[in-house]
Amino acid sequence: DIQMTQSPSSVSASVGDRVAITCRASQTIGYYLNWYQQKPGKAPKLLIYAAYSLQRGVPSRFSGSGSGTGFTLTITNLQPEDFATYYCQQSFFSPPKFGQGTKVEIK
Amino acid sequence: EVQLVDSGGGLVQPGGSLRLSCAASGFMFSSYWMSWVRQAPGKGLEWVANIKQDGSETDYVDSVKGRFTISRDNAKNSLYLQMNNLRAEDTAVYYCARYFGAERRFDYWGQGTLVTVSS
Repeated sequence: DIQMTQSPSSVSASVGDRVAITCRASQTIGYYLNWYQQKPGKAPKLLIYAAYSLQRGVPSRFSGSGSGTGFTLTITNLQPEDFATYYCQQSFFSPPKFGQGTKVEIK
Repeated sequence: EVQLVDSGGGLVQPGGSLRLSCAASGFMFSSYWMSWVRQAPGKGLEWVANIKQDGSETDYVDSVKGRFTISRDNAKNSLYLQMNNLRAEDTAVYYCARYFGAERRFDYWGQGTLVTVSS
């Protein structure tokens, strides 16, 4: 079974900061990597699909990069509404698998 | 506007059964794969099951195979998850989600429904 590992598990940041979250796959998955944002008590929301494509309606301060086994979600100019937990998800192999999550907290 | 509304959760004893529903609107339901994804309290996301547009193909995470059944009624724009022989470890919020595209992304989600398995 493929494993998805995110780092860090949590990060403290301030409004206006740049935050980078990495996701590593235990096997190569091409560009089949999606990113989600989840706020407490709410459903996840798709941010980035196919490693770098921005989902419609998502602010451009969110960006994705990488391929193969290493991927990064970058948030530039962090806004108050961005404090949340972020998950990566591979979709190359079945079953779809999520990373363990990265919590972005207010410093 | 795409909407998915989950329902049917509740408290059930170990070994019991529950049927979850997801009402879809705002898109052509019969044209999309659909999924269930769950999240145990304080934990991460876990995919549970998928179903093809016409219901002819289904897939499940190993831990629920033989106990859970995903189904759909395209005439009613509805997705279901029949859960039998429930265990404590099935306690979670269950989300229905649309499973879309060559990239196989979960692009829309329901609000979730909580299933608690406890005596």
